[in-house]
Amino acid sequence: DAKTTQPNSMESNEEEPVHLPCNHSTISGTDYIHWYRQLPSQGPEYVIHGLTSNVNNRMASLAIAEDRKSSTLILHRATLRDAAVYYCILRVGIGGATNKLIFGTGTLLAVQP
Amino acid sequence: DTEVTQTPKHLVMGMTNKKSLKCEQHMGHRAMYWYKQKAKKPPELMFVYSYEKLSINESVPSRFSPECPNSSLLNLHLHALQPEDSALYLCASSQDDRPSSTDTQYFGPGTRLTVL
Repeated sequence: DAKTTQPNSMESNEEEPVHLPCNHSTISGTDYIHWYRQLPSQGPEYVIHGLTSNVNNRMASLAIAEDRKSSTLILHRATLRDAAVYYCILRVGIGGATNKLIFGTGTLLAVQP
Repeated sequence: DTEVTQTPKHLVMGMTNKKSLKCEQHMGHRAMYWYKQKAKKPPELMFVYSYEKLSINESVPSRFSPECPNSSLLNLHLHALQPEDSALYLCASSQDDRPSSTDTQYFGPGTRLTVL
């Protein structure tokens, strides 16, 4: 199975940008890169996804390396509410009929006031 | 409404009990998922239902039995569980699960299961 690796934890100060890295050296050409986050006592929440090009949405930006073997989730201004576990995920196709999410181990982001 | 609801929030059961977890969504999604999450670990996929048919079973023991009675409802029937099955059980849904789809999954808050 394709796999992602992430740092176990990172710290940031409030209102500063945060760059969360992810390596996925075994990614195949059709695998999408997804990021979800999980706040305490909640289910995971979608953040952003991409295939080859960099992506922006209201929550974050996703920068994907040219060879697609790594990506970086960028939170432009961290707030205390952004403290969560951030999962880098590969969405892989299975047998041409379905797909599944393969979660990385996650990065616990702490945001200091 | 982008909500996936799960009941109960918490469940404590003995190893000889039979219980069920319930998941519901009203977003018109045709793919529904069960995940298991142990403490401080990422969610692990258990089952995928696509258009009410089971499309993925990740070699889950038969003491876990999924059911999809209609497109809005997903159940997980539990029987003869072991203490190591204690975990957070998460349900999710998406528009569909085709490889060409870029649809995201919406997760419920989970059921915290304790097996004594």
